Amino acid sequence: QLHLQESGPGLVRPSETLSLTCTVSGGSVNNFYWGWVRQPAGKGLEWIGRVFTTGSTNYNPSLKSRVAMSVDTSKNQFSLTLHSLTAADTAVYYCARGGLRYFDYWGQGILVTVSS
Amino acid sequence: IVLTQSPVTLSLSPGEGATLSCKASQTVRSNYIAWYQQKTGQSPRLLIYGASSRAADIPDRFSGSGSGTNFTLTISRLEPEDFAVYYCQQYGSISLTFGGGTKVDVK
Repeated sequence: QLHLQESGPGLVRPSETLSLTCTVSGGSVNNFYWGWVRQPAGKGLEWIGRVFTTGSTNYNPSLKSRVAMSVDTSKNQFSLTLHSLTAADTAVYYCARGGLRYFDYWGQGILVTVSS
Repeated sequence: IVLTQSPVTLSLSPGEGATLSCKASQTVRSNYIAWYQQKTGQSPRLLIYGASSRAADIPDRFSGSGSGTNFTLTISRLEPEDFAVYYCQQYGSISLTFGGGTKVDVK
């Protein structure tokens, strides 16, 4: 059974950079698309972007100028970097498999709060 | 593509049927619509993909239908564990989008 686990800081200061990692176990990151989705408290889901194991990426146009994603096949991980954080970036961040289409496996999510 | 889900909240009793709507602002290529269920404090769970194909281990009381710009998730008889928020998502374009969600709660 595939398992995804997000890791990273729970609190980040405004204007700083968020770095999250998703560790995949029970399967390989190779030859799949992987994605990030976030959800502010009490609100809906927002797609952040996707990365393929070759490093090819696509991002939400509303976040494109601030986001980067990558894959580390040697560690079976993929990552999200989001720059210039504001309070509006406070959310639960999910990593998931299948960002080209639908998402069939999800991590448990990590709450990231942007506050000084 | 903007997805609009209705109603925002659906109040029903266990055993009743539920019909959830997802309308797209433009035609969704190849009917590439997925539906997810999210319970409080949990990650979303894939229910339906390709508008009408059930994901693995999803009970057959869940069904999806529709084409073009109008899509529907139907729950034939609500079980206690079905009370949750449901989201549609389109993957017909490079940028993925989700609907705003429909909450199915106990009447």
